[in-house]
Amino acid sequence: QKEVEQNSGPLSVPEGAIASLNCTYSDRGSQSFFWYRQYSGKSPELIMSIYSNGDKEDGRFTAQLNKASQYVSLLIRDSQPSDSATYLCAVNPSYGKLTFGQGTILTVHP
Amino acid sequence: GAGVSQSPSNKVTEKGKDVELRCDPISGHTALYWYRQSLGQGLEFLIYFQGNSAPDKSGLPSDRFSAERTGGSVSTLTIQRTQQEDSAVYLCASSPGTGDDGYTFGSGTRLTVV
Repeated sequence: QKEVEQNSGPLSVPEGAIASLNCTYSDRGSQSFFWYRQYSGKSPELIMSIYSNGDKEDGRFTAQLNKASQYVSLLIRDSQPSDSATYLCAVNPSYGKLTFGQGTILTVHP
Repeated sequence: GAGVSQSPSNKVTEKGKDVELRCDPISGHTALYWYRQSLGQGLEFLIYFQGNSAPDKSGLPSDRFSAERTGGSVSTLTIQRTQQEDSAVYLCASSPGTGDDGYTFGSGTRLTVV
């Protein structure tokens, strides 16, 4: 079992729709969770972090964490073509070293 | 500096040659990380430096790979006797402490071994 798994893509949604990206992790001791966005040919950019169970909202982005189910998700509301990118889930299972999922490619079509 | 700086941005080298990749982290960040990303793949951890502690080298794929961090700041990743499978984007990141605040990545070095 991979340490961090993301739902297989690619994911395609129409402009204005909600995009839902999912991630599960294996280490129950993990305490911090992150979503990175990576545009083609660019380096990953941190867009959300979450540490406690529940929802965390930042603009059009909502991160959801359920530690009991070892599940993290990212919702993007009112998706825009500029949201088209690869989204990477990252988990801090031990002191200081993030483990990344393989990424989900999101395409938002006009 | 304002961000994580990596150089060179692109490097083409012949198989069997040695290469050095440089990373200059954000000023004051104690933690520095090297990852690599092959085409269409996720991020593969290579090595992690935290302050003056011994580095975590558990991700280095072979003894051809080494890294050092001088003065707690700039880091150099060295690949000896490069092979074609070493071709990838090498990403450096830094964080203020333990990584609990996430990382800031540099723009990467694209290494091509021909």
